[in-house]
Amino acid sequence: DIQLTQSPSFLSASVGDRVTITCRASQGISSYLAWYQQKPGKAPKLLIYAASTLQSGVPSRFSGSGSGTEFTLTISSLQPEDFATYYCQQLNSYPFTFGPGTKVDIK
Amino acid sequence: QVQLVESGGGVVQPGGSLRLSCAASGFTFSSYGMHWVRQAPGKGLEWVAFIRYDGSNKYYADSVKGRFTISRDNSKNTLYLQMNSLRAEDTAVYYCAKVLDEWNCGGDCYSDYWGQGTLVTVSS
Repeated sequence: DIQLTQSPSFLSASVGDRVTITCRASQGISSYLAWYQQKPGKAPKLLIYAASTLQSGVPSRFSGSGSGTEFTLTISSLQPEDFATYYCQQLNSYPFTFGPGTKVDIK
Repeated sequence: QVQLVESGGGVVQPGGSLRLSCAASGFTFSSYGMHWVRQAPGKGLEWVAFIRYDGSNKYYADSVKGRFTISRDNSKNTLYLQMNSLRAEDTAVYYCAKVLDEWNCGGDCYSDYWGQGTLVTVSS
């Protein structure tokens, strides 16, 4: 099975900050990676798919990059509504594993 | 608009069974693959199972293989998850999720819409 790690697991940031989250795969997954945002008590929301494609309706301050084993999610200017937990997921091969999550909190 | 509504959750004893349903509307259900994903209380997301648009192929996480069965009834626009031999570690909110693209997906089975989830508690 492909394992995903995320770093950091927790980050404290301020409104307006540039934030970068990294997701690493235990083996190459081409660009078959998605990023989701989840707020407490809510279902996850797709932000980025195919490593770098912005899902319809998602603000352009979110961007994704990477291929192979290393990927990043960047929020160019953190907004109050962005405080949430972010997960990566690989869809290169079954089982479709998720990363452990990165919680973004208010500094 | 796309809607996914899960039901069937509840409290069940260890070793028991439960069947979850996910009623879909707002899109052509029979054209899209579907996932089940779960989240234990206070924990991260865990992918559980996937079924192709026509039910021809099914895939499972190792943790549920042989105990859970994913299925669909395209005439009723409904996805199912039959859960047998339930364990305490199966306690979680279970979400159904629709795949982004129609028809077969291979490497790109991204989940663009999710239901609100249904809670399954396995406890004596």
